[in-house]
Amino acid sequence: AQSVTQLGSHVSVSEGALVLLRCNYSSSVPPYLFWYVQYPNQGLQLLLKYTTGATLVKGINGFEAEFKKSETSFHLTKPSAHMSDAAEYFCAVSDRSSASKIIFGSGTRLSIRP
Amino acid sequence: GAGVSQSPSNKVTEKGKDVELRCDPISGHTALYWYRQSLGQGLEFLIYFQGNSAPDKSGLPSDRFSAERTGGSVSTLTIQRTQQEDSAVYLCASSYGGMVDEQFFGPGTRLTVL
Repeated sequence: AQSVTQLGSHVSVSEGALVLLRCNYSSSVPPYLFWYVQYPNQGLQLLLKYTTGATLVKGINGFEAEFKKSETSFHLTKPSAHMSDAAEYFCAVSDRSSASKIIFGSGTRLSIRP
Repeated sequence: GAGVSQSPSNKVTEKGKDVELRCDPISGHTALYWYRQSLGQGLEFLIYFQGNSAPDKSGLPSDRFSAERTGGSVSTLTIQRTQQEDSAVYLCASSYGGMVDEQFFGPGTRLTVL
């Protein structure tokens, strides 16, 4: 069965510092991979997704993620954190064979220190 | 255009009562999903509707939970004989097609069972 693990329920970085949010998945075949973001008092929105092709995926607001099959990882990064990046981030995976549902991770809350 | 809407935004009920939660997806979206977000937890998949196909109900936690989608548009999630552990935010999302497509989330319904 598919699963997704987000290491660290809470990550705090200084403004301007590198953001790294970790996501590892468990799947028998390379799945579709997603990052969603939930800003305070707002609904979830898609940040980026990997389906096929280039393994480095660029998303909105300067975020990017790299699919590494050998590590079964899809970590989210941003070179320089901004105060507005403070939010909850969810990694998600769906099965290519069934593509019937998405499994979300437990989320990582990102805080930005001034 | 209008996004996904959900009603009510908040619902407080007594243990043992039945509740109905409504979701209006984006017009033209054939896929509709229900998730549950409990405090400190990730998003838990509940049910998935795709066009006229039989829904994927594999995420429903018990037979007290049911959902229907009328006319391929509006969906209602019903929880019978509510329990305190049902307290959570219930999120609805819709997308144009399958799992590769971006899901657009509604603001959620916060359910509190006393």
